[in-house]
Amino acid sequence: NAGVTQTPKFQVLKTGQSMTLQCAQDMNHEYMSWYRQDPGMGLRLIHYSVGAGITDQGEVPNGYNVSRSTTEDFPLRLLSAAPSQTSVYFCASSSPLAGGSYNEQFFGPGTRLTVL
Amino acid sequence: AQKVTQAQTEISVVEKEDVTLDCVYETRDTTYYLFWYKQPPSGELVFLIRRNSFDEQNEISGRYSWNFQKSTSSFNFTITASQVVDSAVYFCALSVLVNRDDKIIFGKGTRLHILP
Repeated sequence: NAGVTQTPKFQVLKTGQSMTLQCAQDMNHEYMSWYRQDPGMGLRLIHYSVGAGITDQGEVPNGYNVSRSTTEDFPLRLLSAAPSQTSVYFCASSSPLAGGSYNEQFFGPGTRLTVL
Repeated sequence: AQKVTQAQTEISVVEKEDVTLDCVYETRDTTYYLFWYKQPPSGELVFLIRRNSFDEQNEISGRYSWNFQKSTSSFNFTITASQVVDSAVYFCALSVLVNRDDKIIFGKGTRLHILP
């Protein structure tokens, strides 16, 4: 199993450009999520999904879109990049636990994004 | 609302000392899960432990131990006889099921420096 894969590993954008960060998992996990990590801010949840066709907003959703057409893929789209979106982005997936809630998350290696 | 607080932003200890990382959580749910993750300097996020709200037994794994106390809403992590390889950022996380939409919330992390 490849686990959770993310592409690209590094990306530099100019302000106003759009792009999609790719995330895929091969563990048949229902739960997938995107986080951004900034110095001193920990991991902040951007969007998450509890299954194909279902997405919801996290703490910091503005400027980002997601979709979940398949169980495996959960791309994150930046519609018009801004310098404030310079960050490290992590995708994660998890399986459900009996009785509700979710198991530990498996994280991808991260994408380091710089917006100039 | 759910919240995870890691009040210690940064800790430095000399190798072989014991160190405790604090985690305080807030939730109104009676069923929830708590996690600890490690992020070494290489950047990946590594799962360490999961604990559910009905199991207050402390856990020990080698030099690592966890103290879960529902009365104080805390889930503290102790490293005994610390080693330089323990230097990392450690995150505490909380998972609850809210209206069938689960969220996994992270604290801001504690950066641990183990000095040789």
